Amino acid sequence: GENVEQHPSTLSVQEGDSAVIKCTYSDSASNYFPWYKQELGKRPQLIIDIRSNVGEKKDQRIAVTLNKTAKHFSLHITETQPEDSAVYFCAASKGDTGKLIFGQGTTLQVKP
Amino acid sequence: DTAVSQTPKYLVTQMGNDKSIKCEQNLGHDTMYWYKQDSKKFLKIMFSYNNKELIINETVPNRFSPKSPDKAHLNLHINSLELGDSAVYFCASSPATGLSEAFFGQGTRLTVV
Repeated sequence: GENVEQHPSTLSVQEGDSAVIKCTYSDSASNYFPWYKQELGKRPQLIIDIRSNVGEKKDQRIAVTLNKTAKHFSLHITETQPEDSAVYFCAASKGDTGKLIFGQGTTLQVKP
Repeated sequence: DTAVSQTPKYLVTQMGNDKSIKCEQNLGHDTMYWYKQDSKKFLKIMFSYNNKELIINETVPNRFSPKSPDKAHLNLHINSLELGDSAVYFCASSPATGLSEAFFGQGTRLTVV
């Protein structure tokens, strides 16, 4: 069935360091891969997304890479700041129904 | 002018009761969803509606019944609440194509005692 695996489950970095979160998906028909950030007690909010016709996308300190052959995609955050501390979710969708299959989440802690 | 709003934000109720959560979106989206986030933060889809029609029902117990009176509203009614129903329930919406951002409501924390 459809499945998204996300690693690591927790990640602690020093302010200014980079953070990388990795996901793999099982359904090769998936063609939309968003990343959501969820702060404590808040709603998930989209931070970046990538479609299957693109290998990499960057938005300021955040970048996402996609390897369709290996069914991997990753989130890269550079120059981390304490306000980046949150739970990050990757997701995959086939785009037909909009249904998102989420990874298990990564709790990122950025230490000042 | 919240894009996706759901009420109530908190809901504490006893086992066996029936409760409803309401959701409204003002984005003009055709598709709305209910997701459940358990105590381990795992987010899982429950239902999806497109223009008032049910398109996804992810093996959710039939005690859960979604209702969409129009494409801007998707409510969730839960009968005979059980302890295991305790979770945060998120409503979301997206454009019909699905290849774009899903906007989430602020969540409803349901606690069954």
